[in-house]
Amino acid sequence: KAGVTQTPRYLIKTRGQQVTLSCSPISGHRSVSWYQQTPGQGLQFLFEYFSETQRNKGNFPGRFSGRQFSNSRSEMNVSTLELGDSALYLCATGTGGAGGYTFGSGTRLTVV
Amino acid sequence: QKEVEQDPGPLSVPEGAIVSLNCTYSNSAFQYFMWYRQYSRKGPELLMYTYSSGNKEDGRFTAQVDKSSKYISLFIRDSQPSDSATYLCAMSLPAGNTPLVFGKGTRLSVIA
Repeated sequence: KAGVTQTPRYLIKTRGQQVTLSCSPISGHRSVSWYQQTPGQGLQFLFEYFSETQRNKGNFPGRFSGRQFSNSRSEMNVSTLELGDSALYLCATGTGGAGGYTFGSGTRLTVV
Repeated sequence: QKEVEQDPGPLSVPEGAIVSLNCTYSNSAFQYFMWYRQYSRKGPELLMYTYSSGNKEDGRFTAQVDKSSKYISLFIRDSQPSDSATYLCAMSLPAGNTPLVFGKGTRLSVIA
């Protein structure tokens, strides 16, 4: 079966711009979580969506936002990009219960 | 103190060695414990998933959870060069909609 698909794989943006990343979950997975991975901080939770509703939110500024569509696909948006936003952004999908999630390969965002 | 502590390594072992990877945590409410493997330029891949205390074995991999000590381990027997990757521990609370909290990962190299 198809895995979690994240697009684009790589992105270079300039400070102050905004960016939208996309995540298509495994068929049947209604939970989509987003994580930011950096060498210094590791994997940090951004937010989780389930059935188009945000269920949990991590400790990130309001410049980071997301949404989920009726087909469970999710997007995250980062506005007014800062150099520190350079990271690998990963989405993880699941059925919505406790336990392990399946991750996509991520979007590598570089802010210059 | 971070919620989950993991020695970042790097850890270098000869092929065939037994590898021991560990994490400690501070939140006694964690009930679900996972190990993920992440290859370069890829997303994390779920290796082992355990609930509460005890051992779980899957092929060459054994996961152990000691809740009384707030300590989890992953053992890899007969390590192979293909096991070279970053290993991330992760854990979550009992409720079905709580985010994963990750260690920073241990980089492992298995030398042929």
